[in-house]
Amino acid sequence: QKEVEQNSGPLSVPEGAIASLNCTYSDRVSQSFFWYRQYSGKSPELIMSIYSNGDKEDGRFTAQLNKASQYVSLLIRDSQPSDSATYLCAVNQMDSSYKLIFGSGTRLLVRP
Amino acid sequence: EAEVAQSPRYKITEKSQAVAFWCDPISGHATLYWYRQILGQGPELLVQFQDESVVDDSQLPKDRFSAERLKGVDSTLKIQPAELGDSAMYLCASSLAAFKLAGVGETQYFGPGTRLLVL
Repeated sequence: QKEVEQNSGPLSVPEGAIASLNCTYSDRVSQSFFWYRQYSGKSPELIMSIYSNGDKEDGRFTAQLNKASQYVSLLIRDSQPSDSATYLCAVNQMDSSYKLIFGSGTRLLVRP
Repeated sequence: EAEVAQSPRYKITEKSQAVAFWCDPISGHATLYWYRQILGQGPELLVQFQDESVVDDSQLPKDRFSAERLKGVDSTLKIQPAELGDSAMYLCASSLAAFKLAGVGETQYFGPGTRLLVL
C-alpha cells in the first residue's frame, strides 16, 4: 500500500500567524489530493482538494501541490484559535477503487 | 445541507459480543466507504461499495467483520465477536462516484462516526 506521511506535531503558532502544514506521498502517479480538518472526537471535514500543480486558494486556506517532488502543503493565513485541530492529508490510490490513503495527521495549536 | 448519517454515535460492548453500525449516505451518492480510525492515526479504509457491490475489502478482517449494502443505499457494518483491539472510531463516508474522471478521485464526505469501546 502506498504511503502518505505527515509530521505529527504539534505545530504551535501564535494567533494571526501563518501555519504551514506539509505532506509527502509515495505513489508518483497519484492525481487527487485532499486536506481534511478533524477536531478532537469529531469526524474529518473537507477543507480543500487540489489536482493540478501550483497553488489553490480558498479564503484563508491555500493548498500547494508539487507532483515532481511528491509534496502537498496547506497554508493557513491569519490563524485563529478555532483552527486548532488535526489536519489530515489524503491521496487517491491509483487503482480500480481510487481509495483514499490518509496520513496520520498534524496537530495544530494556535495560541491566543 | 445533505449529510451522511450514522448510528449509534457511541457503543460500549464487552469482548466476544456482536456489534453493528449503520450508515445512510448522502442521497444520490453511489459510493460508500467504511473506515476505522485508531486514536492518533488517520482513517483506514475497511470496505468500499459501488452501489450494492464491494469494490475493495482488502483491509477488512473477514473472520470477524462483515459489511453489506443490500439495496445500494444504506449500509451496515458488523463485528462478531468484538475484540479489545477493535476499540476505535468507525467512520462512514460517501461520494457521488469513486472518481470524477480518469485519475481524479471524487470528494468523500464523512458522517459523524461511531465511537466503539470494547471492554
